[in-house]
Amino acid sequence: DVKVTQSSRYLVKRTGEKVFLECVQDMDHENMFWYRQDPGLGLRLIYFSYDVKMKEKGDIPEGYSVSREKKERFSLILESASTNQTSMYLCASTSYGLGSGANVLTFGAGSRLTVL
Amino acid sequence: QKEVEQDPGPLSVPEGAIVSLNCTYSNSAFQYFMWYRQYSRKGPELLMYTYSSGNKEDGRFTAQVDKSSKYISLFIRDSQPSDSATYLCAMSARETSGSRLTFGEGTQLTVNP
Repeated sequence: DVKVTQSSRYLVKRTGEKVFLECVQDMDHENMFWYRQDPGLGLRLIYFSYDVKMKEKGDIPEGYSVSREKKERFSLILESASTNQTSMYLCASTSYGLGSGANVLTFGAGSRLTVL
Repeated sequence: QKEVEQDPGPLSVPEGAIVSLNCTYSNSAFQYFMWYRQYSRKGPELLMYTYSSGNKEDGRFTAQVDKSSKYISLFIRDSQPSDSATYLCAMSARETSGSRLTFGEGTQLTVNP
């Protein structure tokens, strides 16, 4: 069964702390994504990556950075956490290709971050 | 105005009811339409995938797309308590990998035994 694993399910951090959210997929997918999910706002794309060491900004990249050193791993970094970054963070991946539902995302279980 | 509008609910129905979940959208370029189901404390999982207008049925679930009205629906027949979840609609203009999906905010459904 294909999997996207987010190792930290629940985190509590203080304002100003540096936060790392890790995501690993075992499907050999090229594309990986980070979303945040908030009530009333739905899922919003933060960053995505088409390949190792490659990244593209999504719709709300401010305050975040990412790292993709290996194909299977995509990390989201909050350099200096703020209370408005309290949210559910979802990692997702897709394989490379055209057609056959190539735009279908496989999601991890999510990381719920609380910034105090 | 949001590109995709979805009634957030919450929606509460008795077991066995027919459930209708709906999304409207404004971008006429959208051609691929998805419904994801998200259980509490889990990530979304794909439930239905359709292209362009028409209906698609899978067991108790039917996805309907009306591109002329920019309206999509998910119907659940004979709803079960195990259907209790948040349902998210999503759509994109292209089927290429990594093409951006635009999500509705999700409708929270509870099916009562």
